Amino acid sequence: QKEVEQDPGPLSVPEGAIVSLNCTYSNSAFQYFMWYRQYSRKGPELLMYTYSSGNKEDGRFTAQVDKSSKYISLFIRDSQPSDSATYLCAMSATKGTYKYIFGTGTRLKVLA
Amino acid sequence: DVKVTQSSRYLVKRTGEKVFLECVQDMDHENMFWYRQDPGLGLRLIYFSYDVKMKEKGDIPEGYSVSREKKERFSLILESASTNQTSMYLCASSTGGETQYFGPGTRLLVL
Repeated sequence: QKEVEQDPGPLSVPEGAIVSLNCTYSNSAFQYFMWYRQYSRKGPELLMYTYSSGNKEDGRFTAQVDKSSKYISLFIRDSQPSDSATYLCAMSATKGTYKYIFGTGTRLKVLA
Repeated sequence: DVKVTQSSRYLVKRTGEKVFLECVQDMDHENMFWYRQDPGLGLRLIYFSYDVKMKEKGDIPEGYSVSREKKERFSLILESASTNQTSMYLCASSTGGETQYFGPGTRLLVL
């Protein structure tokens, strides 16, 4: 079993929809959670960073962590065609670690 | 804004060639990383460096070496390129180990 599981998609939604992207993980030691957006043929770009459980909001993006279920989510409100990209989740167990575990990414397509 | 740059966007090399990939960051970060990204496998850590001249193996170091002579620069070396090293190579940097900032990537094709 992989440490981090992420549905590869593709996920196609109409413009304006609310998008929910998810990752599950198996290591209860993970405490730091990140979401990256990666456009085609580009490097990943950090979107959201959260520590432990709870929600964090930044504009149209909300990151949610449920440590009891070992489940993290990224919600995108009012999705736009420019949100079409691959979204990667990442996590680590310790602040100052060098070990980040990445999901394989979910490809999202927002249709105009 | 953190800027991480990589020397090439696309490279085509022949089997057996020695290949150098360079990465430069401008934010005085202590930590630098080299990953490769392959479809269905995600990002896999090749090497990381936490200081000048210091390096640690990642999950897949075989066939690769690295060099960090200056804080801002981290090089990945493929000693003798093979076709199974065809991939997207991503450099990243971080400070404090909280979040990583990635470069644009180098697409390497080994023929």
